[in-house]
Amino acid sequence: SSELTQDPAVSVALGQTVRITCQGDSLRGSSASWYQQKPGQAPVLVIYGKNNRPSGIPDRFSGSRSGNTAFLTITGAQAEDEADYYCDSRDSSGNHPLYVFGTGTKVTVL
Amino acid sequence: QMQMQESGPGVVKPSETLSLTCTVSGGSIRSGSYYWGWIRQPPGKGLESIGSISYSGSTSYNPSLKSRVSMSVDTSKNQFSLKLSAVTAADTAVYYCAGRLDIVVVPGSVLSYFNYWGQGTLVTVSS
Repeated sequence: SSELTQDPAVSVALGQTVRITCQGDSLRGSSASWYQQKPGQAPVLVIYGKNNRPSGIPDRFSGSRSGNTAFLTITGAQAEDEADYYCDSRDSSGNHPLYVFGTGTKVTVL
Repeated sequence: QMQMQESGPGVVKPSETLSLTCTVSGGSIRSGSYYWGWIRQPPGKGLESIGSISYSGSTSYNPSLKSRVSMSVDTSKNQFSLKLSAVTAADTAVYYCAGRLDIVVVPGSVLSYFNYWGQGTLVTVSS
């Protein structure tokens, strides 16, 4: 099945580095996308493809993948990075792609 | 810059059908590079993909919801819609519509991500 597992919560000291993981079989064949969601707001894309940032996303956000695990790294975390983060991937086993989200990780900046 | 806006009732009675529409502006829903998706988020919980539809009407639904979900597209109005039947309290959630770029970069490599999101609409299932 297309399931993506994330750690429920992580914390990071202000200015330090934190890595969020996303694990699932569908990641062996495709890159993950990563979304940031703050309370009461819609998700915002922060990483797509191998390691691409949309316009306006700070370069402290980066992505990588190894085997069936994708990683989102925040280097030099800022207070405004405190949010929920979700990965997603694409399952193309059918004629029309199916998209699945990870379980989400709450990032707390101390 | 494409914008998306959900519309529909904020309250639906148990066992009835939830119906939502997403209006796309600033771009055409006829783009062959995009799939149009519905995502929901129960209060205090994570994101769940409901499914997606292409401009030509091809669909893909979350297996856990497939028996109750139907999506359609109206290219003349630049809209796509969601119907979820036989709702229960477990279907109470914020429902988002979103646009997903999904293109083959090179054979075997696909670039795919949701880059346009609506603001979301809360639908409460209650009598």
